[in-house]
Amino acid sequence: GAGVSQTPSNKVTEKGKYVELRCDPISGHTALYWYRQSLGQGPEFLIYFQGTGAADDSGLPNDRFFAVRPEGSVSTLKIQRTERGDSAVYLCASSLGGVDGNTEAFFGQGTRLTVV
Amino acid sequence: AQKVTQAQTEISVVEKEDVTLDCVYETRDTTYYLFWYKQPPSGELVFLIRRNSFDEQNEISGRYSWNFQKSTSSFNFTITASQVVDSAVYFCALKTPGGSYIPTFGRGTSLIVHP
Repeated sequence: GAGVSQTPSNKVTEKGKYVELRCDPISGHTALYWYRQSLGQGPEFLIYFQGTGAADDSGLPNDRFFAVRPEGSVSTLKIQRTERGDSAVYLCASSLGGVDGNTEAFFGQGTRLTVV
Repeated sequence: AQKVTQAQTEISVVEKEDVTLDCVYETRDTTYYLFWYKQPPSGELVFLIRRNSFDEQNEISGRYSWNFQKSTSSFNFTITASQVVDSAVYFCALKTPGGSYIPTFGRGTSLIVHP
């Protein structure tokens, strides 16, 4: 596609449920990032993929959060036993290369997750 | 460790005023990259500019200009003759080799341009 696509755009779930958020990056982009953005804050890094592997998952807040990118393209962020504090906008971005500062990341419109 | 500080939480101006958004960064790396993004109400972050640490030339693109000063670790963004469509949240970001080139963002500055 022309840009980074994230689905769903909005997700409301009950506390304790499991959710999956999908990201379809720009074709050919090997680097993929997940960020979380709370109201009034900047994007907070969660995990970074280079190809199929998670090159850096240091931003995942705890073991309820997990992400995969099995074929090096689409990625899924998975949250188990959701808590109200997980409510935020989850942003996905992709870029050419990755192990190179001289590229910009392109962002999707995000998935707004609300845990009730 | 790398850090980006955007001290201005919100700026309110009247259309046609000039406005400068401040960005101060911290890194121990000598090679690094700085970025500005715009986040309109629709939510998608839109890339505006990239600048590497070896290029201190200021840049102008239409009504937008950027002032990079290594001596003060700042990368400020000026909008000349602001317009209502400039209303958005603006983020400054930093990539460094020490940070695995993962973009670190500031908290953002909300710009409100009144007609």
